[in-house]
Amino acid sequence: GESVGLHLPTLSVQEGDNSIINCAYSNSASDYFIWYKQESGKGPQFIIDIRSNMDKRQGQRVTVLLNKTVKHLSLQIAATQPGDSAVYFCASREYGNKLVFGAGTILRVKS
Amino acid sequence: DAGVTQSPTHLIKTRGQQVTLRCSPKSGHDTVSWYQQALGQGPQFIFQYYEEEERQRGNFPDRFSGHQFPNYSSELNVNALLLGDSALYLCASSLGLATTDTQYFGPGTRLTVL
Repeated sequence: GESVGLHLPTLSVQEGDNSIINCAYSNSASDYFIWYKQESGKGPQFIIDIRSNMDKRQGQRVTVLLNKTVKHLSLQIAATQPGDSAVYFCASREYGNKLVFGAGTILRVKS
Repeated sequence: DAGVTQSPTHLIKTRGQQVTLRCSPKSGHDTVSWYQQALGQGPQFIFQYYEEEERQRGNFPDRFSGHQFPNYSSELNVNALLLGDSALYLCASSLGLATTDTQYFGPGTRLTVL
């Protein structure tokens, strides 16, 4: 079936450095993508989204890049902070309003 | 502005039992989706409710059923529990069925089946 997956299960970065989390998706018909952050014991928290008619979108300290040619999505976090430590999921919206999630990337920020 | 709330927070059941989980959507939202998140995995879509009807369903057996009430709150019912049903059950709410609607998640209900 269709899926959204991540290249790296764990990413460790030094506080203050930039982080890049990658995601590959398989359904070329997906037209909307979302990044969620999930802290331990909590539900996924919306970070940023992007539609397929865009290739870049910026938020506060975060940027999402979309490359439809290779079906790749990335999340860039500037000046990573200890509070950014969490599991990050990319998701694609399919078949109406269903979200398909990847397995997640653990981000660990070292002080 | 109240966010998505879920109850209970934790639940322990034994195999074969039935369970009901509850969700109240974010204020102003009318659509509720349910997801199952196994440990170490991403959430898996179970189904979605809008206007008190199931609108879309994922690859889950009929043991999983739901309901939406006139106030937009929702319940997830699981019958004949299996060990493999142990997971975090997440509720997400959004406004309408348009594909541009962001889904906001609640904190989840942790279900343990013994």
